Amino acid sequence: DTAVSQTPKYLVTQMGNDKSIKCEQNLGHDTMYWYKQDSKKFLKIMFSYNNKELIINETVPNRFSPKSPDKAHLNLHINSLELGDSAVYFCASSQDFDFSDTQYFGPGTRLTVL
Amino acid sequence: AQTVTQSQPEMSVQEAETVTLSCTYDTSENNYYLFWYKQPPSRQMILVIRQEAYKQQNATENRFSVNFQKAAKSFSLKISDSQLGDTAMYFCAFIPQGGSEKLVFGKGTKLTVNP
Repeated sequence: DTAVSQTPKYLVTQMGNDKSIKCEQNLGHDTMYWYKQDSKKFLKIMFSYNNKELIINETVPNRFSPKSPDKAHLNLHINSLELGDSAVYFCASSQDFDFSDTQYFGPGTRLTVL
Repeated sequence: AQTVTQSQPEMSVQEAETVTLSCTYDTSENNYYLFWYKQPPSRQMILVIRQEAYKQQNATENRFSVNFQKAAKSFSLKISDSQLGDTAMYFCAFIPQGGSEKLVFGKGTKLTVNP
């Protein structure tokens, strides 16, 4: 059973397009996250939702919009894609928002913008 | 499948002492990178140290050093002279060179530095 799943795993698209990445967790967790892994292997947090409420919203372009239809899902929608958006995006979840809670990471989505 | 295992969910250490966090990984790749990330309560991921698998010399970064044992697939992090600001979650991560180049994470170790 996959704990945290992301779809698609690979996404290639043209500049200017709008795309979504979906994340689902079947662990019954209350908190979900989106991270971005850039070309230098640095990892940055983008968003966090706790019980469908936005908790963390780091400085990311407003072209990025998270949507949490329920606690088990946190989707990432990106408008007007740019070349610099090419990266690997990870979803993660944890039981609660306590920083010591184990985070379970999804497999990542490699986004390539041409 | 490539996996990363951190067997210590929680650890604590007294300020100024030394602590070692363990990490093992499983891969059939020969070329890869290994990382330790620090995540404080702010949730920012801070890259602490990285190691290229082809380098035999252990990476060091100030008070942080690793013990990289390629044959044993072990990559432990040693923190010397622990400071209160070192309190955080620490994630070990692995990435194969080439291919998907997606990080694979361990489940993290919560480190508490006590005064």
